[in-house]
Amino acid sequence: DIQMTQSPSSLSASVGDRVTITCRASQSISSYLNWYQQKPGKAPKLLIYAASSLQSGVPSRFSGSGSGTDFTLTISSLQPEDFATYYCQQSYSTHSFGQGTKLEIK
Amino acid sequence: QVQLQESGPGLVKPSETLSLTCTVSGGSISSYYWSWIRQPAGKGLEWIGRIYTSGSTNYNPSLKSRVTMSVDTSKNQFSLKLSSVTAADTAVYYCASHRYGTFDPWGQGTLVTVSS
Repeated sequence: DIQMTQSPSSLSASVGDRVTITCRASQSISSYLNWYQQKPGKAPKLLIYAASSLQSGVPSRFSGSGSGTDFTLTISSLQPEDFATYYCQQSYSTHSFGQGTKLEIK
Repeated sequence: QVQLQESGPGLVKPSETLSLTCTVSGGSISSYYWSWIRQPAGKGLEWIGRIYTSGSTNYNPSLKSRVTMSVDTSKNQFSLKLSSVTAADTAVYYCASHRYGTFDPWGQGTLVTVSS
């Protein structure tokens, strides 16, 4: 099984900050990596697919990069609606998710 | 815009079978993959498995012995059965459209509690 490890597990930041979340796979997954945002009581929402492609309708302040085992999600300028939990997900084999990164207001 | 809605009992007794249905609206269920994902309270996401509209399935190896998925294209629905449930199966269960390795969109989720 491919294990996905996100860091940090939680993060405090302010509106306007630039934030980066990291996801590491236990083996190479090429670019088969997606990112989701989940708000309390809601289903996850797809943000980034194939490591760096922005899902339609997602603001351009979100971006993704990486390949192989190391990936990042960057939010260039935090907005109030961005405070949520973020998950990475690999689709290389038997889909699995990272444990999540909770982004909180400082 | 495709929408998904989960339905089924919110309470299941230990050792019994959990049964959920996902109804797809706003589009045809045909020719796509459809997945189930669950999330225990305060925890992360676990992919349960997926079904193609032909009936072909792939399950998470950790749950494979207890999972059965089926599809009814005439009703635009697909279903999940999880047998021999325990308290560890208590979670919010989501259905989702599964295309090109991504899950999008998702249903709103349904809480299933395993308790006597």
